[in-house]
Amino acid sequence: AQTVTQSQPEMSVQEAETVTLSCTYDTSESDYYLFWYKQPPSRQMILVIRQEAYKQQNATENRFSVNFQKAAKSFSLKISDSQLGDAAMYFCAYRSFDFGNEKLTFGTGTRLTIIP
Amino acid sequence: GAVVSQHPSRVICKSGTSVKIECRSLDFQATTMFWYRQFPKKSLMLMATSNEGSKATYEQGVEKDKFLINHASLTLSTLTVTSAHPEDSSFYICSASIHNEQFFGPGTRLTVL
Repeated sequence: AQTVTQSQPEMSVQEAETVTLSCTYDTSESDYYLFWYKQPPSRQMILVIRQEAYKQQNATENRFSVNFQKAAKSFSLKISDSQLGDAAMYFCAYRSFDFGNEKLTFGTGTRLTIIP
Repeated sequence: GAVVSQHPSRVICKSGTSVKIECRSLDFQATTMFWYRQFPKKSLMLMATSNEGSKATYEQGVEKDKFLINHASLTLSTLTVTSAHPEDSSFYICSASIHNEQFFGPGTRLTVL
């Protein structure tokens, strides 16, 4: 079974600065998807960014980018120019297929605080 | 982007009663929907995968007779918590998959007294 580990329960960053959230995963598959989701206080899950394992290029979405190290099974999220609205829980997730059924496995989350 | 709604957003019920939660994909058809449970300050745990027109697939440890799932159409899946008990109190989230991405509903907070 796949596992996803987020080793930082909490992180904080000064507004306008850059922060990196860590995520590692364990899998024996060669092709898969990885995701970062944001859950603000409203608790609505919002997709931040996704990475397809067969693509070597790191995904980027505006201020959000990932450092995908396939051999090391590492998938960190970098947030540049942090804004107050970035404060939220961030979950790393791995997508697998179990007997043909899609399944998302989530990490335990990192609570990000933005310091004004 | 694709929109998923849930109803109700909050429900309080007495112990022993049943509660139904609806999950709808508003602007797309979803052959597969997912039901998650999230405890306070914890991650999302997949409870079951709901497939339109067939039986749901439950994760290990989830009681299928307690958490009834029906996916009667391509835009609607329902989760019924039967004979609810206080330990069933939680935040329940659904999602629907399209184009290699899951879109999540806003969640339902269930409180069982």
